[in-house]
Order: sequence, then structure tokens, then C-alpha cells
Amino acid sequence: SQTIHQWPATLVQPVGSPLSLECTVEGTSNPNLYWYRQAAGRGLQLLFYSVGIGQISSEVPQNLSASRPQDRQFILSSKKLLLSDSGFYLCAWSGQGVAGELFFGEGSRLTVL
Amino acid sequence: SQQGEEDPQALSIQEGENATMNCSYKTSINNLQWYRQNSGRGLVHLILIRSNEREKHSGRLRVTLDTSKKSSSLLITASRAADTASYFCATVPYNTDKLIFGTGTRLQVFP
Repeated sequence: SQTIHQWPATLVQPVGSPLSLECTVEGTSNPNLYWYRQAAGRGLQLLFYSVGIGQISSEVPQNLSASRPQDRQFILSSKKLLLSDSGFYLCAWSGQGVAGELFFGEGSRLTVL
Repeated sequence: SQQGEEDPQALSIQEGENATMNCSYKTSINNLQWYRQNSGRGLVHLILIRSNEREKHSGRLRVTLDTSKKSSSLLITASRAADTASYFCATVPYNTDKLIFGTGTRLQVFP
């Protein structure tokens, strides 16, 4: 069966520090991969999605970046965090082709102080 | 930018009552999906309806889709306290691989 792992679950970072959130998927190959951010009490904002290794589509211009170094690994990074980067970050995967059901990780809660 | 807007933003009902949530979106779609999120957790997929379908059922869930009005509704029948959660609609814009979420409805079911 397929599983998705996302870490760390919680982190508190100072403004200006770097960020790396990691997501891996097991039990499937060639998944579409997604990073979303959710502000407190709000909907999900699509940040990046990838349909293959090295293929990253950015939805929102900002100081975040994403990489897909391996088929089932998706990394969200920042060189210098801003206060506005605080939020709940969710990784998800779906099968190839037109997006069907998304399977979500448990999320990473980031607080930037 | 968000594709969907849900209505109402919050809904409080008693156990046994039905809960109806509405979603409107902006562009042509491949499919529309509904998800549930318990507080502080990841989202769980509930149901997917394709653009050529008008109604779909899954257990106590009933989803309708009106592509002419660019709207969908989710009906939860005979609600339970365990249905308390946030519910989101999400659309796959035509000819894309991405899923765009709405703003969500917070449902509270009182025992």
C-alpha cells in the first residue's frame, strides 16, 4: 500500500534562517507531487507541483523553492524565512495524469519568530 | 489564487440533521473533489465527481455538480458528532495537473 511521510512535524525558526521540509512517498512510482500551505483557519494555497523528476511548477512567486531530486521525494526550501512564511505545510501525491484523488501527509507546522 | 469559494464559512447543527455545503468555482474543470480535514491534520479525500457527471453518492454523502453554474454541493445526511471537521472543495482546472482548493466550511455537529 502507498504511504506518504512528511517531516519535521513541527518547527520554530527565526526570521532569516533557512528551511527544508521533506516529503517522501512509498508504494507507488511516477506520482504527481504537491506542496500546499494553509494559514490558520484558511484554505489551502498551492505552492508547487511536480509531474516528474526535475519538473517543478511554481504557483506563487515568493522566497520558497521546491526540488524533486528523486521520483518519490519532494523538498520545500527557503534560504531566508520571513514572518509571513508561518503556516501549516502539506505535501500530497496523486497518480499520473489529470489530478485525481490526492493523498496528504500529516503536515508540518512552521512558526517563524 | 483560489479557484473555489465555499458557503457557508461555518455551520453548526445537531446530530441527526443534514448538513449542506456549497462550492462555487471560476473556470472550466476536469473534475471536482471534496475533502475533509480534522483540526491540525492532513486532508482526507471524500468523493470525486467528473465534469460530465451531475450527481454522485458515497454512503451518507451526496455530491451534485452544475457546470453551467460552476457550482457544487455536498450533502451529509444524518450527521454525527464525528462529522465535525472542515470540508473543502477542490477543482482540477481543465487541461491541468493541479488541484485548487476552496476556502472551506467548518462544520460543528453537536451531540
